[in-house]
Amino acid sequence: DIQMTQSPSSLSASVGDRVTVTCRASQDISNYLAWYQQKPGKVPKLLIYGASTLQTGVPSRFSGSGSGTDFTLTISSLQPDDVATYYCQKYNGPPSTFGQGTKVEVK
Amino acid sequence: EVQLLESGGGLVQPGESLRLSCAASGFTFSNEPMSWVRQAPGKGLEWVSSISVSGSAMYYADSVKGRAAISRDNSKNILYLQINRLRAEDTAIYYCAKDVYGAGSYSDYWGQGTLVTVSS
Repeated sequence: DIQMTQSPSSLSASVGDRVTVTCRASQDISNYLAWYQQKPGKVPKLLIYGASTLQTGVPSRFSGSGSGTDFTLTISSLQPDDVATYYCQKYNGPPSTFGQGTKVEVK
Repeated sequence: EVQLLESGGGLVQPGESLRLSCAASGFTFSNEPMSWVRQAPGKGLEWVSSISVSGSAMYYADSVKGRAAISRDNSKNILYLQINRLRAEDTAIYYCAKDVYGAGSYSDYWGQGTLVTVSS
């Protein structure tokens, strides 16, 4: 099965900083990659699908890039509301594996 | 408005069985593939199972394969997950999720989850 590895596991940045989270697949998954945001005590929320397509209603400071095995989620200007754990998920066929998550905090 | 409401969680003893339900509304349930995703306390998301629109195709994570059965009743708009021979490591919040295209694709709506605790 394809493994999904996120880095870093956690990060702390200041408001306004550019934040990057990386997700690496153990095999080529083309662009079948989604990103979710899960705020503390809340349900996961879809942010990006197709590696780079922003879900309706998601702020434009979020962006995704990559293809094949290496993917990136970028928050262009970190806001206090972005405190959450972010997960990538591959969906090129079951199992639809998630990465282990990246916890983003504000300094 | 899309709503997914899970039920059926609770405290169960190791080795017992449990059937989770997810009542769907606000969309044409019979047209959408569905999934179950779980999250152990303080841990990350784990995909568990997915089912196609008709229910003819079902997929399972290795962690539940052989012990779980996903099903759906399109006449009642309900998704089910039966897990047998429950283990302590099955303790988690179980989320029902609506997939966008094809079983096991990404999910655009999630329920609030139901907590399953496996303990003696």
